Amino acid sequence: DAKTTQPTSMDCAEGRAANLPCNHSTISGNEYVYWYRQIHSQGPQYIIHGLKNNETNEMASLIITEDRKSSTLILPHATLRDTAVYYCIVRDRRSSNTGKLIFGQGTTLQVKP
Amino acid sequence: DTAVSQTPKYLVTQMGNDKSIKCEQNLGHDTMYWYKQDSKKFLKIMFSYNNKELIINETVPNRFSPKSPDKAHLNLHINSLELGDSAVYFCASSHLVESPLFFGSGTQLSVL
Repeated sequence: DAKTTQPTSMDCAEGRAANLPCNHSTISGNEYVYWYRQIHSQGPQYIIHGLKNNETNEMASLIITEDRKSSTLILPHATLRDTAVYYCIVRDRRSSNTGKLIFGQGTTLQVKP
Repeated sequence: DTAVSQTPKYLVTQMGNDKSIKCEQNLGHDTMYWYKQDSKKFLKIMFSYNNKELIINETVPNRFSPKSPDKAHLNLHINSLELGDSAVYFCASSHLVESPLFFGSGTQLSVL
């Protein structure tokens, strides 16, 4: 699975959009981009995933560049409860894959009042 | 109803003891996992089961033995506990191996 690079930490003002970048320059055509987050003392929580097209759900939007070498997770109106570590993970889509997720260090997002 | 539930939430024990952590999912998923999060907060997969069959064993010591009595359960038994086993253990499940994973709330294991 391709490696990802994320900033170690970011701050965001409450009510503003939080834009979390991720570089995955070695991503292959078979790999999805997944985002998870881990709020303190809880289990990781799935947010969103995509392959080529931009995706949106009730939690966030995922913007993937045309060359697929980077992506941005957008939380449109961050709240204090969005303070967490956010993980960007690339994952092979082929059915022979074991389903394994490889977590990096992630980005610690601090939402401030 | 909690989708992926683990028990106990906290486990404090002495070195050399044997302990088990239980995991159950009510999502009807086919695949279940155990992850370990160490003191540096790195999350790493340990095991994965698909329809009760082991599909991943990530070089985990033999003292760790997962058991899947049915598709909805994946328990983790640890023999001869060591200080280095202290960590938070997370159970997870997914519908298919390529589907998103859903995690439990974790079991914090402290070996004294």
